[in-house]
Amino acid sequence: QVQVVQSGAEVKKPGASVKVSCKTSGYTFTNSYIHWMRQAPGQGFEWMGVINPSGGATTYAQKFQGRVTMTRDMSTSTVYMELRSLRSEDTAVYHCARGFFDVYYFASWGQGTLVTVSS
Amino acid sequence: EAVLTQSPGTLSLSPGERATLSCRASQSVSDTYLAWYQQKPGQPPRLLIYDASSRVTGIPDRFSGSGSGTDFTLTISRLEPEDVAVYFCQQYGRLPPTFGQGTKVEIK
Repeated sequence: QVQVVQSGAEVKKPGASVKVSCKTSGYTFTNSYIHWMRQAPGQGFEWMGVINPSGGATTYAQKFQGRVTMTRDMSTSTVYMELRSLRSEDTAVYHCARGFFDVYYFASWGQGTLVTVSS
Repeated sequence: EAVLTQSPGTLSLSPGERATLSCRASQSVSDTYLAWYQQKPGQPPRLLIYDASSRVTGIPDRFSGSGSGTDFTLTISRLEPEDVAVYFCQQYGRLPPTFGQGTKVEIK
């Protein structure tokens, strides 16, 4: 069955970068886009962007343009999300999720990765 | 971007009762491009409904979705104890995809 497994929790200082991984299995990696969302404490979900594993094309939310990079490793069916210049407001649980092919709803989610930004 | 407003914030009902959850969009989400998710504490969201009314395989038929344009509804026909969760809607008709704040469903 489809599995989406993320890397573990991270604690970072303001100004640092974080790179979260999202390893997928159980389906053809190139068939479905992978999206990243985050949920800050007490807040709703916020879409950050998407990567098409077939070719690597990305689309980022305007809010994160210039600060986020999404990449993929075809050999391990893994997607990465790097967020730079971290600030305290970036403290959140970050989720990757498999879209339904190229449609932007999310069929399978990773378990979430807590990123804490604190001095 | 399209803002999704869910109501009520919390719904407290007895087992067997009908739960009606609302999701209203600030602008049309291109007909029926709306999904519903269930999230239980400590778990990632689970997709229940897509295209406003299509139930995901394996989701009990007590869950149903309806609506189009700007007004959407998730109905749980007979509430079960395992339905205790936060339910949120998400539109994918306009970029960026956006989410509602969620409705918490509790059992009395």
